[in-house]
Amino acid sequence: EAGVTQSPTHLIKTRGQQATLRCSPISGHTSVYWYQQALGLGLQFLLWYDEGEERNRGNFPPRFSGRQFPNYSSELNVNALELEDSALYLCASSYSGTETYGYTFGSGTRLTVV
Amino acid sequence: GQQLNQSPQSMFIQEGEDVSMNCTSSSIFNTWLWYKQEPGEGPVLLIALYKAGELTSNGRLTAQFGITRKDSFLNISASIPSDVGIYFCAGYMEYGNKLVFGAGTILRVKS
Repeated sequence: EAGVTQSPTHLIKTRGQQATLRCSPISGHTSVYWYQQALGLGLQFLLWYDEGEERNRGNFPPRFSGRQFPNYSSELNVNALELEDSALYLCASSYSGTETYGYTFGSGTRLTVV
Repeated sequence: GQQLNQSPQSMFIQEGEDVSMNCTSSSIFNTWLWYKQEPGEGPVLLIALYKAGELTSNGRLTAQFGITRKDSFLNISASIPSDVGIYFCAGYMEYGNKLVFGAGTILRVKS
């Protein structure tokens, strides 16, 4: 069974540009979560999608947005990039309703803003 | 937002030593999870705890769910070089259906 896959692995953008990150969940998983891992700050919750709908978002500005497609894959968009957006962005998935059993994470997309 | 206090921030130990790390919160959680992240990878679930006072083992790893439901501990016995990585605790919040993570404990093992 393929795990959670994220693309691209690395992304370099200039301040002010937009970045698009992609995630494919484990087959059968309908919930997708996005986390930001900045150096020394642990994992900060960004967004939760389930069945195509945004269910919850963390304390991030509106320029962080995303969507979930009918095949449950997901996209995270970051507009008007700032230097402090540089981080590892992790996607995770789970069967809806089994979140207490933990998520399965992908390997992440390393975003560098210069 | 919600934050878990995880300590220590980092540890540099000798192979064969035992390791202890813990996580505390001002909020009550009904589920505690421990993850390990190796370089270039996403976090991988090690142990899940669902009941106050619960003690669960996974090989050389043992984790406990604190009685107050506001803390959890992870112990690694007889450490080996492949234990190197970042260990995260996480508490599950039913409100918002999300995991809240600690800042991580960086573990280095010298052989």
